[in-house]
Amino acid sequence: AQSVTQPDIHITVSEGASLELRCNYSYGATPYLFWYVQSPGQGLQLLLKYFSGDTLVQGIKGFEAEFKRSQSSFNLRKPSVHWSDAAEYFCAVGAGNNNDMRFGAGTRLTVKP
Amino acid sequence: NAGVMQNPRHLVRRRGQEARLRCSPMKGHSHVYWYRQLPEEGLKFMVYLQKENIIDESGMPKERFSAEFPKEGPSILRIQQVVRGDSAAYFCASSPGQGTHYSPLHFGNGTRLTVT
Repeated sequence: AQSVTQPDIHITVSEGASLELRCNYSYGATPYLFWYVQSPGQGLQLLLKYFSGDTLVQGIKGFEAEFKRSQSSFNLRKPSVHWSDAAEYFCAVGAGNNNDMRFGAGTRLTVKP
Repeated sequence: NAGVMQNPRHLVRRRGQEARLRCSPMKGHSHVYWYRQLPEEGLKFMVYLQKENIIDESGMPKERFSAEFPKEGPSILRIQQVVRGDSAAYFCASSPGQGTHYSPLHFGNGTRLTVT
């Protein structure tokens, strides 16, 4: 069965600094990969997804993620963080259907002024 | 356009009572998914329903938990005889269809259940 690990529980960055959130997955075939963001008291919003093709995917709000099969990783990046990016970020891996999707434990991002 | 609506936002129950969580999917969506979120554990899939059918309940605890999605009205997640360990945020998501690839999931804002 597929699974995903987010090694960092909490990350703090300064506003304007670059950001990279780590995600490692485990799945025997080509995975479907997702990043979601959750603001406090809100549901999850899809940032970006990878199904196939170009391994660098662009998402909303200036985020991008790169699929690296050799490292089983799908790290999320942003070149310059804004205070409004403070939230919890979830990586998810799927096998082909929504009910197969498995979420990581999340990384909480704090942005310092 | 109304998104996925969950109510109540907050629910407090004493041990042994019943909790009913409601979810109205986005207009035009016929697939509903329920997830439970515990602190520092991410979202755990519970159940996937279509109208009047449970498609996948592999994530549902075997006892006390049930879900339905009737022909008319919202989807209901029901927890009988709640215990403190049921305290969590419960999220509902909907999608327009399953298909051979992922249909985008739209999440509600969740119901935060507290068992005292």
